[in-house]
Amino acid sequence: NAGVTQTPKFRVLKTGQSMTLLCAQDMNHEYMYWYRQDPGMGLRLIHYSVGEGTTAKGEVPDGYNVSRLKKQNFLLGLESAAPSQTSVYFCASSLSPNYGYTFGSGTRLTVV
Amino acid sequence: AQSVAQPEDQVNVAEGNPLTVKCTYSVSGNPYLFWYVQYPNRGLQFLLKYITGDNLVKGSYGFEAEFNKSQTSFHLKKPSALVSDSALYFCAVRVYNNNDMRFGAGTRLTVKP
Repeated sequence: NAGVTQTPKFRVLKTGQSMTLLCAQDMNHEYMYWYRQDPGMGLRLIHYSVGEGTTAKGEVPDGYNVSRLKKQNFLLGLESAAPSQTSVYFCASSLSPNYGYTFGSGTRLTVV
Repeated sequence: AQSVAQPEDQVNVAEGNPLTVKCTYSVSGNPYLFWYVQYPNRGLQFLLKYITGDNLVKGSYGFEAEFNKSQTSFHLKKPSALVSDSALYFCAVRVYNNNDMRFGAGTRLTVKP
C-alpha cells in the first residue's frame, strides 16, 4: 500500500521554465490537496479537489494550475517558474475533510 | 476567517518528562482541530483530531490533546517524552464545510536523553 506518491522528489528549474508535479494516491480518496511549505510559515494551501474533474483555489493559487482528470491523480503545474516558487511542495489526500490527511513525502523545488 | 497560532518555535524537554506543545486558534464557527508530526525529509503524519465530543482526545504514539473552547486552545501533550518524539509538530484548523485547512507555523520539539 503506497499511500500518496509524489514525483519528482527534487527539481531545479530556471526562471521562466515550466514543469508538472505529479501526485498519485491508491486509497480511493475523494479529496486531494497541494500545499507548499516555507520556513516559519507552516503549510499553505495552493489548490484542492473534492473529486474527479473538480478543482478549486486555496490560499495561494497564483502562478499555479492543477488538474484532476483521474480520481487517483492530482497534477500541479507551474507555467513560468519564478524564484518565489522555491519551496517544498506536499500533496495530501483524505476520505473527507473530517478525516486526517495522508501526505506524500514532498518535492523540493528550487527556481534559479 | 480561520487561523491557528503556535506560540513557541522550539520546545525542549528531557526524556521521561511530560511535554506540552501549545496551539491556539481563531475561527468563526465550530472548529475541527488536528495535530500532525513531521520527521526530517518526510511528509506530515496525522496524530489526532478533535471534531466533537470529549474534550480530551487520544492519538498515535501516546499523544493526547485537550480542546478548551473558552481559551480557544488545543494543546498537544504526552505524559513521558521519548527521544524519538523529537520532530516538527503542526497544529491545524478548519471549520465545517470549508476545505481550507489552515496550519500553524510549526513547533520544533527536541527531547534530550
